[in-house]
Amino acid sequence: NAGVTQTPKFQVLKTGQSMTLQCAQDMNHEYMSWYRQDPGMGLRLIHYSVGAGITDQGEVPNGYNVSRSTTEDFPLRLLSAAPSQTSVYFCASREQGENTEAFFGQGTRLTVV
Amino acid sequence: AQSVTQPDIHITVSEGASLELRCNYSYGATPYLFWYVQSPGQGLQLLLKYFSGDTLVQGIKGFEAEFKRSQSSFNLRKPSVHWSDAAEYFCAVVGFGNEKLTFGTGTRLTIIP
Repeated sequence: NAGVTQTPKFQVLKTGQSMTLQCAQDMNHEYMSWYRQDPGMGLRLIHYSVGAGITDQGEVPNGYNVSRSTTEDFPLRLLSAAPSQTSVYFCASREQGENTEAFFGQGTRLTVV
Repeated sequence: AQSVTQPDIHITVSEGASLELRCNYSYGATPYLFWYVQSPGQGLQLLLKYFSGDTLVQGIKGFEAEFKRSQSSFNLRKPSVHWSDAAEYFCAVVGFGNEKLTFGTGTRLTIIP
């Protein structure tokens, strides 16, 4: 049972480069989200999706794009990386409903130099 | 908008001592509340959740939390901590009819022998 799988685990980018962080879940969850974790700031919501074809912005969406073409996949795209995007990124999925448990991937540690 | 505040950034407790981690929420109606734990280098795992009914909820690993509407609080407790409880703890909230899971800034727990 894979759960939520994120790739890559580590990445170093140069300023201005683009890349896609991958997230896949095999639990048929409708809700998927991307968070970034920075020291002292907890987890901040970047983008989220309530189903295939539906996405919306979270607290800190600038510089990031998402799409949801299938239930399983929710990639996060950095269009032009900046040092301020150095962070640990987590993908999460959960079933529809306010009281459902979120399942997290292992995270992607991204460094932008 | 929903939010949670965790006033303690870092707490140090002796092994075997009791523990209480504070969480205050801001939301107009009864929220759905969660506590998650993050071990070093790992994703987040659900400890417990509250959405209605009994205000004292039991979770995994011997943790419990009490919902107090009058104080807008949802504090996490454990009667006797173990060295393996050293981790970062996050309180989180979902509002009714809302898909967003919003996290606090976290409390890092250190256990000393």
